[in-house]
Amino acid sequence: DTEVTQTPKHLVMGMTNKKSLKCEQHMGHRAMYWYKQKAKKPPELMFVYSYEKLSINESVPSRFSPECPNSSLLNLHLHALQPEDSALYLCASSQGLAGFVSSYNEQFFGPGTRLTVL
Amino acid sequence: GNSVTQMEGPVTLSEEAFLTINCTYTATGYPSLFWYVQYPGEGLQLLLKATKADDKGSNKGFEATYRKETTSFHLEKGSVQVSDSAVYFCALSAPGGTYKYIFGTGTRLKVLA
Repeated sequence: DTEVTQTPKHLVMGMTNKKSLKCEQHMGHRAMYWYKQKAKKPPELMFVYSYEKLSINESVPSRFSPECPNSSLLNLHLHALQPEDSALYLCASSQGLAGFVSSYNEQFFGPGTRLTVL
Repeated sequence: GNSVTQMEGPVTLSEEAFLTINCTYTATGYPSLFWYVQYPGEGLQLLLKATKADDKGSNKGFEATYRKETTSFHLEKGSVQVSDSAVYFCALSAPGGTYKYIFGTGTRLKVLA
């Protein structure tokens, strides 16, 4: 299985709602990532988990809260979002973060969740 | 710092035309280089990669060669199809324990029948 799955595919939420995005991989990868992608732009890194621990938070507002319950699963909890948070949210995974082994860095992306905040 | 510069799009070609999308990079050491493709409404798919100088990555008729001397990783295809219409991202992963991808701005390709 070389797939990263994401649910839901589409999500519409109000600014007072709480929702969650889910990402799953069964490739045995130990690093997982959340990216945000606005239209006609490259993905922007948000969070990186390595061995289920948060390694990097790219100064993301606290209204985004990541969680990694186990090595296969990554969640992104959303609360009190703003309309400008509307974007495609992509999950990715890689074998690890060991930059000395280049293949470890190869990231596999999911199809994304299209989020609209009203 | 590390950076990737990608040619501006959109690129519009007729079916069976030759494609080149330029990508140059700045990095210390020997980064890994990648081309990803994003079809409308989808996530990114790895198209090809190269991990050391003079490596040639290839997939689905696309090719790119890691040129250390010109710090380039240009994407080429000899004969494009309408189904190749997508956005193409060049990316690098810097060595030495760094996990972050540095993406180019993306190049939109439109192939006309």
